[in-house]
Amino acid sequence: DIQMTQSPASLSASLEEIVTITCQPSQGIGNYLSWYQQKLGKSPQLLIHSATSLADGVPSRFSGSRSGTQYSLKINRLQVEDTGIYYCLQISSTPYTFGAGTKLELK
Amino acid sequence: EVQLVESGGGLVQPGRSLKLSCLASGFTFSNYGMNWIRQAPGKGLEWVASISSSSSYIYYADTVKGRFTISRDNAKNTLYLQMTSLRSEDTALYYCARGKSDYWGQGVMVTVSS
Repeated sequence: DIQMTQSPASLSASLEEIVTITCQPSQGIGNYLSWYQQKLGKSPQLLIHSATSLADGVPSRFSGSRSGTQYSLKINRLQVEDTGIYYCLQISSTPYTFGAGTKLELK
Repeated sequence: EVQLVESGGGLVQPGRSLKLSCLASGFTFSNYGMNWIRQAPGKGLEWVASISSSSSYIYYADTVKGRFTISRDNAKNTLYLQMTSLRSEDTALYYCARGKSDYWGQGVMVTVSS
């Protein structure tokens, strides 16, 4: 099974700050990686698919990137509505696996 | 508008069975693979099972293999999850998700307890 190591586990940042969350798979997954945001009591919402493609309707301050085997989600100019828990998901091979999540709060 | 509406959850005793449904609308259901993903209270997300558009390919997490069965009825635009031999560790909010998990339902709660 592919393990997804997500970091940090929690993050406190200020408004307008740049935030970066990373996921490191235990083996190669190509670009089969997605990022989700989950707000309290809500279903996860897709932010990024195929490692770098912005999902429909997602603000352009969100971006995804890949450097070798490390995948990153970047939020430019953090807004109040960006608080929540962020997850990565690999869909390269079953069992599909999620990162443990990053809880993002406003400082 | 894509909509996924789960139903069938509830409180069930350990060892018993339950069948979840997910009614899809707003897209051509028969063109998409579908997934079940769950989230235990206060925990992260766990993929449970996937089924291809024509039911030709089916995959399960090891934690549910042999106990859960994913299926679909394309004529009814509905995805199912038959759960048997339920355990306390199956207690979770169960989501259905479309394709590469681009759209998710609101989830249905399953509580396994005596």
